[in-house]
Amino acid sequence: GQQVMQIPQYQHVQEGEDFTTYCNSSTTLSNIQWYKQRPGGHPVFLIQLVKSGEVKKQKRLTFQFGEAKKNSSLHITATQTTDVGTYFCAGRDGGSQGNLIFGKGTKLSVKP
Amino acid sequence: NAGVTQTPKFRILKIGQSMTLQCTQDMNHNYMYWYRQDPGMGLKLIYYSVGAGITDKGEVPNGYNVSRSTTEDFPLRLELAAPSQTSVYFCASSYGLAGPYEQYFGPGTRLTVT
Repeated sequence: GQQVMQIPQYQHVQEGEDFTTYCNSSTTLSNIQWYKQRPGGHPVFLIQLVKSGEVKKQKRLTFQFGEAKKNSSLHITATQTTDVGTYFCAGRDGGSQGNLIFGKGTKLSVKP
Repeated sequence: NAGVTQTPKFRILKIGQSMTLQCTQDMNHNYMYWYRQDPGMGLKLIYYSVGAGITDKGEVPNGYNVSRSTTEDFPLRLELAAPSQTSVYFCASSYGLAGPYEQYFGPGTRLTVT
C-alpha cells in the first residue's frame, strides 16, 4: 500500500538556523498537506500543495511539491522558539479517492 | 464555532474494561475520522465516516467500533481494553474526502490501559 516517509525524525537547531524536513511517497500523490503539532497539542493544518513543482510560502515557511508529485519539503528560515513542534506531511494517492496517509513526522526543537 | 471537541481529555482504563470516546463537530462536515498516535509515530487511521449512517475501516480498526447516527457526532468504542491501545486518540473532520480538503483535529484523548 501507499507509504509516506519523512526524514529526519528529529532535528535540533539553534535559534536562527534554518530547518528542512523531507517527505517521500512510494506512489504519485494527488495532493500533499502539511500539519504542525505543538508539544501536547493536536495537528493543525498549515498548507496543501496540488500542482507539480508547486512552491508556496508562508512568512518564513517554504513548501515545495516535487515535479513527479512523489516528494515534498518544508523549509523554515531563521527558526524561532515558536517553531518548536512536530511537522507532519500527509499525502493522498493520486489514483484513488483514498484517505490521507500521514508520515511519522519530524520533531523540531529550537535552542534559544 | 467550537470546531471539533473530544471528551474525555484523559482516561485510565484497566485491562478488559470498555469505554466510549466522544467526538462532536459543529462545522457541518460530512467526513469524520478517528486516528491514534503512538509516541514517535504518525497518525494511524482507525475508522472514518463519509456521512451519517456510513462508516468504514481504516488502517488499524481491530479492537474498536464506531457509529455515526448524526452529522455532528462520531463516537469511538473500545471493547475489552488492552495495553496495546494505550495511545492518544484524535478525532478529525473535513468538508470532503477526496481532493484537497484539510482536516480539522480535536484536542485529543490521552488513554492509558494498565
